[in-house]
Amino acid sequence: GESVGLHLPTLSVQEGDNSIINCAYSNSASDYFIWYKQESGKGPQFIIDIRSNMDKRQGQRVTVLLNKTVKHLSLQIAATQPGDSAVYFCAENRGSSASKIIFGSGTRLSIRP
Amino acid sequence: DTGVSQNPRHKITKRGQNVTFRCDPISEHNRLYWYRQTLGQGPEFLTYFQNEAQLEKSRLLSDRFSAERPKGSFSTLEIQRTEQGDSAMYLCASSFTLSSSYNEQFFGPGTRLTVL
Repeated sequence: GESVGLHLPTLSVQEGDNSIINCAYSNSASDYFIWYKQESGKGPQFIIDIRSNMDKRQGQRVTVLLNKTVKHLSLQIAATQPGDSAVYFCAENRGSSASKIIFGSGTRLSIRP
Repeated sequence: DTGVSQNPRHKITKRGQNVTFRCDPISEHNRLYWYRQTLGQGPEFLTYFQNEAQLEKSRLLSDRFSAERPKGSFSTLEIQRTEQGDSAMYLCASSFTLSSSYNEQFFGPGTRLTVL
């Protein structure tokens, strides 16, 4: 079946460097994507979202890029900090009434001091 | 704390027992969602309520699972005759949604179920 959020399982970056977490999806009809951060023992936390009519959106220290041609999504974190250590999920909102979020398997981001 | 709360945070039970989890959403959020998350995977949608009505259920929600939201506020998720495969984190989320467009879902900390 069609899937979203095909991640590399782990990513290790040096503190202060920029992190780029990539995600691929297969449903060309997908029109709304969300990035979540999940710290150990906690539920997922919304970071940033993007609609399919956009190719870039920026937040505080984070940028999401969407390439619909190759069905690719990325999350860029500037000046990575120890507090950024977590599992990051790209996800898609689906359902006739925007009812469900389809999560990928996630990428665990580790920060080297 | 005005976020989504879930109780208990941890539950250990023996196979065959029934368990019930509770979720208290953010006040005045009309939608409430249940997800299941197994180790190393992303959360999987189980079901959601709009006010007290259960509007969608995943195929993952077998006959042993039942969810209620009797007064449109808190919700319970019951698993009957638990199996070892039910061991997972059960996440609750809520949102305030008036239309078919997406509104941010706020997640609780989850209830971790271990079935021995």
